[in-house]
Amino acid sequence: DIQMTQSPSSLSASVGDRVTITCRASQTISTYLNWYQQKPGKAPKLLISAASTLQSGVPSRFSGSGSETDFTLTISSLQPEDLATYYCQHSYSPLYTFGQGTKVEIK
Amino acid sequence: QLQLQESGPGLVKPSETLSLTCTVSGGSISNGNYYWGWIRQPPGKGLAWIASIYYSGSNSYYNPSLKSRVTISVDTSKNQFSLKLSSVTAADTAVYYCARLGYTSGAGDYWGQGILVTVSS
Repeated sequence: DIQMTQSPSSLSASVGDRVTITCRASQTISTYLNWYQQKPGKAPKLLISAASTLQSGVPSRFSGSGSETDFTLTISSLQPEDLATYYCQHSYSPLYTFGQGTKVEIK
Repeated sequence: QLQLQESGPGLVKPSETLSLTCTVSGGSISNGNYYWGWIRQPPGKGLAWIASIYYSGSNSYYNPSLKSRVTISVDTSKNQFSLKLSSVTAADTAVYYCARLGYTSGAGDYWGQGILVTVSS
């Protein structure tokens, strides 16, 4: 099984800050990496697919990068509505796994 | 606009079988560009993929940790797919989501709202 490890598990930042979340795969997964945002009580929302492809309607302050085993989700200027938990997910094989999540709080 | 809706009992007794259905509206489940999957989230915890199936039923995949207890199936005539999880315990208490997953990307671009299933006597 491919394991996905996110860091940090939580963070607190101010509005306007640049926020970076990392995701590491236990083996190379090329760019088969997706990022989701989950707000409290809601279903996850796809932000980025294939490591760096921003989904339609997602604000441009979100960006993704990386390949092989190391990936990054960046929020260039944190907004109050970005309060959420963020998950990475590999799709290199059909046996998908998610990272454990990173909870983003606003100071 | 594609919509997915989970349905099924919200309370299941230990050792029984959990059965859920996902109804797809606003689009066809027979679109060959996608898989259809189930993901769950125990209260206060993270997301866990359970299983995925292609519309024809020709390909299905299961989380190895659940494989012995899980069956996923599809009914194209009803535009639905379903999940059965047998021999449930309290550890299976979770919000269960259904989702559309890209055939190549594996990315879940449409999700249901989720259904809380509690395992308790």
